[in-house]
Amino acid sequence: QKEVEQNSGPLSVPEGAIASLNCTYSDRGSQSFFWYRQYSGKSPELIMFIYSNGDKEDGRFTAQLNKASQYVSLLIRDSQPSDSATYLCAAAIDAGNMLTFGGGTRLMVKP
Amino acid sequence: NAGVTQTPKFRILKIGQSMTLQCTQDMNHNYMYWYRQDPGMGLKLIYYSVGAGITDKGEVPNGYNVSRSTTEDFPLRLELAAPSQTSVYFCASSTRRAGLAGQRSYEQYFGPGTRLTVT
Repeated sequence: QKEVEQNSGPLSVPEGAIASLNCTYSDRGSQSFFWYRQYSGKSPELIMFIYSNGDKEDGRFTAQLNKASQYVSLLIRDSQPSDSATYLCAAAIDAGNMLTFGGGTRLMVKP
Repeated sequence: NAGVTQTPKFRILKIGQSMTLQCTQDMNHNYMYWYRQDPGMGLKLIYYSVGAGITDKGEVPNGYNVSRSTTEDFPLRLELAAPSQTSVYFCASSTRRAGLAGQRSYEQYFGPGTRLTVT
């Protein structure tokens, strides 16, 4: 059984702080990892994907992958109230056609 | 492009009734998916399709059926609805996208969802 685990939160951070979201996965065969953002009542949207160990940066977002520890994280710098949403971590054994999703972490950014 | 569209947005079914959730995409994507999302939970894959005429089961297929007669459409059929099928249903389609250093991945685009209640 492939599993992706996330702390459900809520994770509360003040505006301007760094939000750190974490995810662990059980299938060592997982090759690619995705972070989706989901606003309340809306559908998920892709914000980052990562394949290689280390960091990948895109604007205020940094994804980090440690395959030895089976650990993925998402850092959001200079958090804004508009970042308040649920963040879903997903893992795939391929390039992303077949995703296993975690339960999501709810982030609240307080002005 | 409208992207991925789903109908209806909301539906209430009585136990034992049947219905079809419609999904259409206009992006010419080969891959399409159906997920369900229970409150406070992640997405569970019900069925997927790699192209017209080809479908396969996902993690939670029991109680559902799909067909894919065209690239654009991927309807999900619920037979004999049960309260356990109360959920939000998302349809998605995917295409390959280029990333940094030549990495490629499949980005899944989601429809707006259908909120289904079975009572």
